[in-house]
Amino acid sequence: DIVMTQSPDSLAVSLGERATINCKSSQSVLYSSNNKNYFAWYQQRPGQPPKLLISWASTRESGVPDRFSGSGSGTDFTLSISTLQAEDVAVYFCQQYYRSPHTFGQGTKLEIK
Amino acid sequence: QVQLQESGPGLVKPSETLSLNCTVSGGSMSSSYWSWLRQPAGKGLEWIGRIYSSGTTNYNPSLRSRVTMSIDTSKNQFHLKFSSVTAADTAVYYCAREFKAWWFDHWGQGTLVSVSS
Repeated sequence: DIVMTQSPDSLAVSLGERATINCKSSQSVLYSSNNKNYFAWYQQRPGQPPKLLISWASTRESGVPDRFSGSGSGTDFTLSISTLQAEDVAVYFCQQYYRSPHTFGQGTKLEIK
Repeated sequence: QVQLQESGPGLVKPSETLSLNCTVSGGSMSSSYWSWLRQPAGKGLEWIGRIYSSGTTNYNPSLRSRVTMSIDTSKNQFHLKFSSVTAADTAVYYCAREFKAWWFDHWGQGTLVSVSS
């Protein structure tokens, strides 16, 4: 299985500041034939199911605020929240869909400082 | 907008079989993949397996020996059976639509299943 490792496990950021979450995969999830990274980010607010934020490592889902952005390629990826809002308090997960079984990171808990 | 809702017992005894249903509304089940995932309290997500609208299944190899999925598109439902459960199987179980067997774009609210005697 591809192991997804997120860092940090938890993060406290002041309102209006930038938050950065990292995810590293144990092998590349970049498919060379189409140059796409088979990688997604999710947000899980307390008591809610996960919500898809970003696919293909950097493509925001419809309705996701543009303060969320994804970057990276191969084995190293980053989710950035440019100006933290109170409603962004959540656990964030990465997921690879390059190879079955699809696997997730352990999650990063984002709180307000 | 596609909506999913899990249903089933919240408590299962050790060694017994966990059975859950997922009802899909607001869209067709045709030509789509439908998955089950689980999340132990305070932990990450684990993909259990998927079933295509035709009935073809793919299971997580680590769980394959205990998992059976089925689908009834006439009732807009798909089902999970998970045998020989132990306390380690206690988790919130989610059903979800898996877009093209890639990412999970629609989720149920989740149902907590506890394994205890």
